[in-house]
Formats: sequence, C-alpha cells, structure tokens
Amino acid sequence: AQSVTQLDSHVSVSEGTPVLLRCNYSSSYSPSLFWYVQHPNKGLQLLLKYTSAATLVKGINGFEAEFKKSETSFHLTKPSAHMSDAAEYFCVVINSGGYQKVTFGTGTKLQVIP
Amino acid sequence: GAVVSQHPSWVICKSGTSVKIECRSLDFQATTMFWYRQFPKQSLMLMATSNEGSKATYEQGVEKDKFLINHASLTLSTLTVTSAHPEDSSFYICSAQGPGGTMAEAFFGQGTRLTVV
Repeated sequence: AQSVTQLDSHVSVSEGTPVLLRCNYSSSYSPSLFWYVQHPNKGLQLLLKYTSAATLVKGINGFEAEFKKSETSFHLTKPSAHMSDAAEYFCVVINSGGYQKVTFGTGTKLQVIP
Repeated sequence: GAVVSQHPSWVICKSGTSVKIECRSLDFQATTMFWYRQFPKQSLMLMATSNEGSKATYEQGVEKDKFLINHASLTLSTLTVTSAHPEDSSFYICSAQGPGGTMAEAFFGQGTRLTVV
C-alpha cells in the first residue's frame, strides 16, 4: 500500500522566518517524491522532486526537501518565508513500477504573516 | 519539462447541462491520462485512469455514466460531466503519463474550476 501523510493541515509563519512543512510516506516500491504548490484558483506547480539521486533536493523559489529513508520523510523547508509563498502545498508519492500510481497528501495551507 | 494543457480553466454552467473538459499533452504522447477532482479544502482524489484507445477505469464511487472519459488519441483526453448539478462544482485536474510505463513525474494540467448554478 502507498500513502502520504502531511502532518499539519495549516502552518502559519511570519514573513522572513523559516518554513517547515512535514510529509511522511509509505510505499511498497522505491518511490519518487514530489512537492507541488497550488495558489488560490490555480493549478499545480512542481516545486521539487526526488527520484533516487541526491537526498537533498533543491527546488524553485528557495525551497528544498530532504529525503530520509530511515524516517520515511520528505519535509519541505525554506529559510525565509515570503508573502508570495502563501499557498497550499501537496506532498506526492509516485511509485516506480510500470503503472503510475500517484498518491497525494491532504495538503498543508501555508499562511505568511506580514 | 513536458507540458499538459487543460481547457477551459474555468466554466460556469446551468444545472442539467453537460460540460466537456479537455486535457492535451503538448510535447509528448500520453499513453495514460488521469483525472482528479478536488473538493474545497481537501486533497485531490483520483477519479479515473484512461488509456489511449480503451475504456477508462473508474475509482470506486465515481459514476462512469456521469463522468464520461474519452482518450481517443495519444495527445487528448476529455472528461464530460453530464447533466451537471451543483454538487458537481469542483476543481478538476488531469495528469498525463508518457510511453514506457514509467514516468518519474506527474505532469498536470492547470485545472478546471467548474461551477454549476
């Protein structure tokens, strides 16, 4: 079975402070892991992805995530939040088998306080 | 990266009418396309999987007669919401997978916000 758990449905940070969005997963296969961002009334935008290369992955807009197999985690971080980061973030697991099984986390809404 | 175009980005329709949403892979051949629905304040839920030239496979609880999916070519899949009702109002997103069976990234369309009045 494959599952994704985003531990926080809402995260609120002050502008300029660090961001941490947590994601834990389970997968029967070697997974590929992704973070997507969705701004209000917009589609999904890929932030970054892990596909069995370097465990620390850098993405767009200053975001990065570290794949920790022992902890089955793929937390998303950013050193300094910007107002434009306010959005909903989805952690996604895709199995590496021949059939693309995509599992979404329930999403974390990030609020950035000026 | 690969591009998936979804059209329209938003649509308002009257209750009882049908709405068609298109999903196109612009620079690759999508052997498999996936349709998702997102309810307010919830995550995306897979509705169905469509393979080019064959019938779509629907997830449990999704009415196949209401949500008609056609994948007639390697670059186009359509979702038709038939006899739409206000409870069908939602955000619909497609994603596409290329040939070879494995694609280490889900390429998503921009989504369609459907409002049924």
